[in-house]
Amino acid sequence: NAGVTQTPKFQVLKTGQSMTLQCAQDMNHNSMYWYRQDPGMGLRLIYYSASEGTTDKGEVPNGYNVSRLNKREFSLRLESAAPSQTSVYFCASSAGLATANTGELFFGEGSRLTVL
Amino acid sequence: AQSVTQLGSHVSVSEGALVLLRCNYSSSVPPYLFWYVQYPNQGLQLLLKYTTGATLVKGINGFEAEFKKSETSFHLTKPSAHMSDAAEYFCAVSGSGGYQKVTFGTGTKLQVIP
Repeated sequence: NAGVTQTPKFQVLKTGQSMTLQCAQDMNHNSMYWYRQDPGMGLRLIYYSASEGTTDKGEVPNGYNVSRLNKREFSLRLESAAPSQTSVYFCASSAGLATANTGELFFGEGSRLTVL
Repeated sequence: AQSVTQLGSHVSVSEGALVLLRCNYSSSVPPYLFWYVQYPNQGLQLLLKYTTGATLVKGINGFEAEFKKSETSFHLTKPSAHMSDAAEYFCAVSGSGGYQKVTFGTGTKLQVIP
């Protein structure tokens, strides 16, 4: 059981370049999330998708866009990368609006992005 | 609105000593509370959770936490630290029922000294 799979695991970009982080889950979860992790700041929510067909902004959405392609896949796009977006990005999923959901998140292994 | 405060960004304990990682939360609705652990270069994995019922919850690897509503706390403990416990620990809170947005604390790095 793969769980949550993120690609790529590592990426180096130049300022102004664009890229898309891909995320897929095989647990039939309704909700998916993108977080960024920076030293001393914990995890901050960028965007989330409570269910297929919906997306909403989190705490730090500026400079990012997302697409919930289908129930399994949720991508994060940087249109014009900036050094401030150097971070480790985590995709996560949860059962969401399913009955007996406890809010537990299942995480991918992370994507380490460096913007020069 | 909800928030989490973890006291101490770094905690060091000797192998075999008590581990105590502190977490206080605020929530406008009855909370669900979580502790996640992150080993180097890995994603986060659930250590334990409180939803309803018994306020003392047990998790993996000998960890446990107690929900204290009066103190708005959910501290993580382990009686005897092991070298393999060295990791970063995150406390998190979400609202109960229906769709929940999860808010994380800033994390505590646990160092275990041999």
